[in-house]
Amino acid sequence: DIQMTQSPSTLSASVGDRVTITCRANESIITWLAWYQQKPGKAPKLLIYKASTLETGVPSRFSGSGSGTEFTLTISSLQPDDFATYYCQQYKSFWEWTFGQGTKVEIK
Amino acid sequence: EVQLLDSGGGLVQPGGSLRLSCSASGFTFRNYDMSWVRQAPGKGLEWVSVISGSGGSTDDADSVKGRFAISRDNSKNMVYLQMSGLRAEDTAVYYCARIRRDFYESSGYYYFFDFWGQGTLVTVSS
Repeated sequence: DIQMTQSPSTLSASVGDRVTITCRANESIITWLAWYQQKPGKAPKLLIYKASTLETGVPSRFSGSGSGTEFTLTISSLQPDDFATYYCQQYKSFWEWTFGQGTKVEIK
Repeated sequence: EVQLLDSGGGLVQPGGSLRLSCSASGFTFRNYDMSWVRQAPGKGLEWVSVISGSGGSTDDADSVKGRFAISRDNSKNMVYLQMSGLRAEDTAVYYCARIRRDFYESSGYYYFFDFWGQGTLVTVSS
């Protein structure tokens, strides 16, 4: 099974900060990676797929990059609405999905 | 507007059964594979079960194989998760999720979750 590891687990930042979250796979997933945002008590929301493609309606301050085994999610200027937990998810193989353990972005 | 409404959660004793439901609207339901994903309290996301658009193919995570069964009724735009032999470790919020199928000329089809229901809490406890 493909395992996904995110870092850090928790990140403290201020409004306006540039924030970067890293996701690593234990084998190459090429660019078959999605990022989700989840707020407390709410369902996850798709932000990015195929490592760097922004989902329709997602603000352009979010961006994704990477390939192979290492990926990043960047928020260029953190906004109050962005404080949430972020998950990466690989989808390299048909009907096989695994998630990272999550990164909580909290107010500094 | 795509909407997924999850229901059916509750408190059940270990070894008991429960059926979750997901009502879909705002898209051509039969054209999409659907899935259940769960999240234990304070934990991350875990894929549980998936079903094809026609309902003819299913798959389950090893952690629930033989105990859970996913099904769908395309005439009602509903997907279900029948859970039996429930254990304390099955306690979680269960989300229904729609699966997007993307085609790439050089690589073929790839599948990921694009819309999620609001979740329904299942608590397994005596």
